[in-house]
Amino acid sequence: AQSVTQPDIHITVSEGASLELRCNYSYGATPYLFWYVQSPGQGLQLLLKYFSGDTLVQGIKGFEAEFKRSQSSFNLRKPSVHWSDAAEYFCAVVPRNTGFQKLVFGTGTRLLVSP
Amino acid sequence: DVKVTQSSRYLVKRTGEKVFLECVQDMDHENMFWYRQDPGLGLRLIYFSYDVKMKEKGDIPEGYSVSREKKERFSLILESASTNQTSMYLCASSKKFATNEKLFFGSGTQLSVL
Repeated sequence: AQSVTQPDIHITVSEGASLELRCNYSYGATPYLFWYVQSPGQGLQLLLKYFSGDTLVQGIKGFEAEFKRSQSSFNLRKPSVHWSDAAEYFCAVVPRNTGFQKLVFGTGTRLLVSP
Repeated sequence: DVKVTQSSRYLVKRTGEKVFLECVQDMDHENMFWYRQDPGLGLRLIYFSYDVKMKEKGDIPEGYSVSREKKERFSLILESASTNQTSMYLCASSKKFATNEKLFFGSGTQLSVL
């Protein structure tokens, strides 16, 4: 079945440590790929996106993500986490077979930052 | 600034009631979406629309219907509300993704069905 998977429900990282959040998709052709963040009590904010081209994309707040076609993955990374990064992170895809109009989200990964 | 406005922030309804959730956007966006957000399940797509009078089922359309009579308005209808439809409902809109990928969200409607 077509889906987007975030295998980690919760992740705890020490402040200043590096972060990687995983996202895998199972669509026949490479979809458009996104990462969103939702801080407590806030709406969703777009961090970055991948449509085509350079497989390493830079986003806001120091985040980056790398598209790997061979692994059907689009993992989100940050070299040094700040306490304010504690939030829920959602990977999302726009599949090609919907005319690029349907946006589907993963189940989310909650990031906790320890002192 | 783009605005996506959901008519109610909190709503309490009884089982069996017909419920209307309204969403209006002011930026002439082609795409509009209804999601529900539940802890541990992320955002699940209920319905989406890419044009006036056009609608497509998302991943969990059962128990819901939608209406898009005007470009700026996308309504979600719960024909007969049930307790398992208690959730946070989020409306979103965007231009067609090939030209502008940014998705704008409303502030959400927390629906409780008793």
